[in-house]
Amino acid sequence: DVKVTQSSRYLVKRTGEKVFLECVQDMDHENMFWYRQDPGLGLRLIYFSYDVKMKEKGDIPEGYSVSREKKERFSLILESASTNQTSMYLCASSFFQGSQPQHFGDGTRLSIL
Amino acid sequence: AQTVTQSQPEMSVQEAETVTLSCTYDTSENNYYLFWYKQPPSRQMILVIRQEAYKQQNATENRFSVNFQKAAKSFSLKISDSQLGDTAMYFCAFMNKNTGNQFYFGTGTSLTVIP
Repeated sequence: DVKVTQSSRYLVKRTGEKVFLECVQDMDHENMFWYRQDPGLGLRLIYFSYDVKMKEKGDIPEGYSVSREKKERFSLILESASTNQTSMYLCASSFFQGSQPQHFGDGTRLSIL
Repeated sequence: AQTVTQSQPEMSVQEAETVTLSCTYDTSENNYYLFWYKQPPSRQMILVIRQEAYKQQNATENRFSVNFQKAAKSFSLKISDSQLGDTAMYFCAFMNKNTGNQFYFGTGTSLTVIP
């Protein structure tokens, strides 16, 4: 089975801190994604990556950056956390070929105080 | 950008009954895939069923089936013989085959199965 592991289930940080959310997948997937999930808004794509060192902006990249130094790891960085970034963050991965479903991690519930 | 609309924020169904969750999407593309994902409370999101746009036959996975109406751009999910474990948030998703692997998700339908 595909395993997508997010480093934390719950995280509490303070405004202005630099925050790192880590995601690791064990299925040699080319694609990796970071979403933000908010009630009534569904899943919104922040960033995605097709390959190592490659990244593409999604629908809501402002205030975030990403890093993909190794194929299995995709990090989401909040450069200077703000309270409006309090949310559930979901990481997903998939094979590059079309029709392949995305596999999700358990999510990280991030609170910015 | 593609848009995916789920017009039912919340639904409920009696155990053992059948329920249908609606999803519509907007695209000018002809080559795409549609998915339904399930997210149980505090648990991981998992794939329920998928449909390839060029296939006319509706996809079926055990108690889950879809009604895919390509002309109407509609992709509803039918759950038969509902079970308590079906209680979850359900998301409809669209993927354009020609532009890579980016998914577009609806806002979700929260389904509660009542004992």
